[in-house]
Amino acid sequence: AQSVTQLDSQVPVFEEAPVELRCNYSSSVSVYLFWYVQYPNQGLQLLLKYLSGSTLVESINGFEAEFNKSQTSFHLRKPSVHISDTAEYFCAVSFARYSSASTIIFGSGTRLSIRP
Amino acid sequence: ETGVTQTPRHLVMGMTNKKSLKCEQHLGHNAMYWYKQSAKKPLELMFVYSLEERVENNSVPSRFSPECPNSSHLFLHLHTLQPEDSALYLCASSQDRSEREGGEQFFGPGTRLTVL
Repeated sequence: AQSVTQLDSQVPVFEEAPVELRCNYSSSVSVYLFWYVQYPNQGLQLLLKYLSGSTLVESINGFEAEFNKSQTSFHLRKPSVHISDTAEYFCAVSFARYSSASTIIFGSGTRLSIRP
Repeated sequence: ETGVTQTPRHLVMGMTNKKSLKCEQHLGHNAMYWYKQSAKKPLELMFVYSLEERVENNSVPSRFSPECPNSSHLFLHLHTLQPEDSALYLCASSQDRSEREGGEQFFGPGTRLTVL
């Protein structure tokens, strides 16, 4: 069965420090991988995704994630965080489940809090 | 309007009321989803509609009744809810079987529901 594990429920870091949010998944089939971000009182927004090709994917606001097939991981990193990065981050795995609808399994989320 | 919209954004209702949540997607997608997001709990998939047919019902109580009249609109009809049903209800859409998007889901801002 497919599953997604986010090992840290909360990650506090100081502003301008680096951060890594961990994500591991299990799947017996090929998957697509996503990171979503949820700012307070908003819905989820796509941050970045891995579909194929280069295993390192980047977002427009400085985040990056690397698909590691051997370790079944898709950790999210940023070299220097900003106060505005305070949010909840969800790792997700997509796989084809029905003939015409795919399903995304979400991790339980990691709350990133930035301290000045 | 662009993307996925949800109305109302906030809803307070008594346990004997009947109300409906509305979701509309302007992306030309063929699948729509309802999720429930409760505090300190993982995101819960409630219903999946593909090509206007319900393909998944994750053991959701019958007091929640979805309706998908066409590929652009999704409703969640609520009646005789319980206080534990208070949560953020998120709608999402996707273009399934799309290799380009990998089943990526696009989310609305959510409806914050409070049941008194």
